Amino acid sequence: DGGITQSPKYLFRKEGQNVTLSCEQNLNHDAMYWYRQDPGQGLRLIYYSQIVNDFQKGDIAEGYSVSREKKESFPLTVTSAQKNPTAFYLCASRPGQPRNTEAFFGQGTRLTVV
Amino acid sequence: SQQGEEDPQALSIQEGENATMNCSYKTSINNLQWYRQNSGRGLVHLILIRSNEREKHSGRLRVTLDTSKKSSSLLITASRAADTASYFCATDRNDYKLSFGAGTTVTVRA
Repeated sequence: DGGITQSPKYLFRKEGQNVTLSCEQNLNHDAMYWYRQDPGQGLRLIYYSQIVNDFQKGDIAEGYSVSREKKESFPLTVTSAQKNPTAFYLCASRPGQPRNTEAFFGQGTRLTVV
Repeated sequence: SQQGEEDPQALSIQEGENATMNCSYKTSINNLQWYRQNSGRGLVHLILIRSNEREKHSGRLRVTLDTSKKSSSLLITASRAADTASYFCATDRNDYKLSFGAGTTVTVRA
């Protein structure tokens, strides 16, 4: 099955610890995205990547880091510098070309800091 | 900052009625997209309208785009209980940045 997979579905982290969220896609998409969603809120863009080995900061990149070493993978690390990491994290991907294409989303990872 | 802002924040309608929600944005775009999210799940793409299009239909969905006013609307006709969800607009720019608004929560009462 083609799709985008986020793991784990639920993640608990102690304060002061870094944690990495996984996002894998087998859709052969060039572009990938990470969003954060707080309860009752919209999606805020953390980082996005147009192509392998390249990525850009979104609107709320502070306290987060990413890598894009492989086309199919775009892991997100939530560092201890992120003050309020508890949230629902969504990963998405879409083709680089043609333009004007829809994004496909994973089912999300719910991160809770305990 | 979020590029798109939806209005209203919440909408409650009777089954069979139409639901209309609006989206305003700030910068020039390649296209505008609408997505749906059921509680606690990922988003599902509904419809995409390009910057040179004014109106688009897909089943019971109708989307309009007014680039001069930087606004879009999504109309869901003959709503069903299964349409209960949150709806988000997303703006797509030349630099591949895909930005979402805060969403409209729609509740369809049986």
